[in-house]
Amino acid sequence: GEDVEQSLFLSVREGDSSVINCTYTDSSSTYLYWYKQEPGAGLQLLTYIFSNMDMKQDQRLTVLLNKKDKHLSLRIADTQTGDSAIYFCAESIWSSTGFQKLVFGTGTRLLVSP
Amino acid sequence: DGGITQSPKYLFRKEGQNVTLSCEQNLNHDAMYWYRQDPGQGLRLIYYSQIVNDFQKGDIAEGYSVSREKKESFPLTVTSAQKNPTAFYLCASLGPTGLYGYTFGSGTRLTVV
Repeated sequence: GEDVEQSLFLSVREGDSSVINCTYTDSSSTYLYWYKQEPGAGLQLLTYIFSNMDMKQDQRLTVLLNKKDKHLSLRIADTQTGDSAIYFCAESIWSSTGFQKLVFGTGTRLLVSP
Repeated sequence: DGGITQSPKYLFRKEGQNVTLSCEQNLNHDAMYWYRQDPGQGLRLIYYSQIVNDFQKGDIAEGYSVSREKKESFPLTVTSAQKNPTAFYLCASLGPTGLYGYTFGSGTRLTVV
C-alpha cells in the first residue's frame, strides 16, 4: 500500500535544531523528497535523496535515510523563524505503465519561536 | 523563468455551479498532476496526465474532470457533483527523469458560497 506518515506538529526555539521524521511504505521508491509549504502557497522542493544513499547534506539541511526501517528524517540546523512552515515528506511511486507519482505525508507544521 | 501558473488564486463557487481552475506550464514537462489539499490530510491525487490527449483518474476523481489538449495546459473542472469542493487545489508537473520531483504552482483556493 501507499502510505507516508509524519507527526503533525513540532515546536522549537530559534537557534535550536529541528528534526522532522517520516515513515514510508514502498521499498522500491527511487527518490524521497522534502517539500516546504508556506501559508497560502504551493510546495517548494527543499531537498531530495536517492534511495541508495544514507545521508545527504545541503547547507543547514541534513537528510537521513534508513531503508531497513523505511524511515526518513530532515534535520534543520540553527532553525530560524523564517523556517516556520509545513514540511511534507514524499516518496516516488512507479506504476507498471511507467507512470510516476509522488505520495505525500500529511505534513508537519514547524513553529519556530524567538 | 520557467514555472507553473495557476489561476485564479481565489475562486468562489455557488451551489450547483461548475468552475474551472487553470494550470499552465512552460517547463516542457510531459507529466502533469492535480492535487487537493485539506487541513491535516496532506495532498490527495485527483487526476494526472502523462502526455497530451491522455489523462487518468487519481485517488479522488469523483466530481472532477480534466482535459489535456495542449502540453502546456491541464485545466481542472470542479463539477456540481463534487459535494465538498472547498479546498486548496495544487497543480504540478514532473520532468522526464523525476530527479527533482514535482514543480508546483502557487495553488487555487476554492470556496463554496
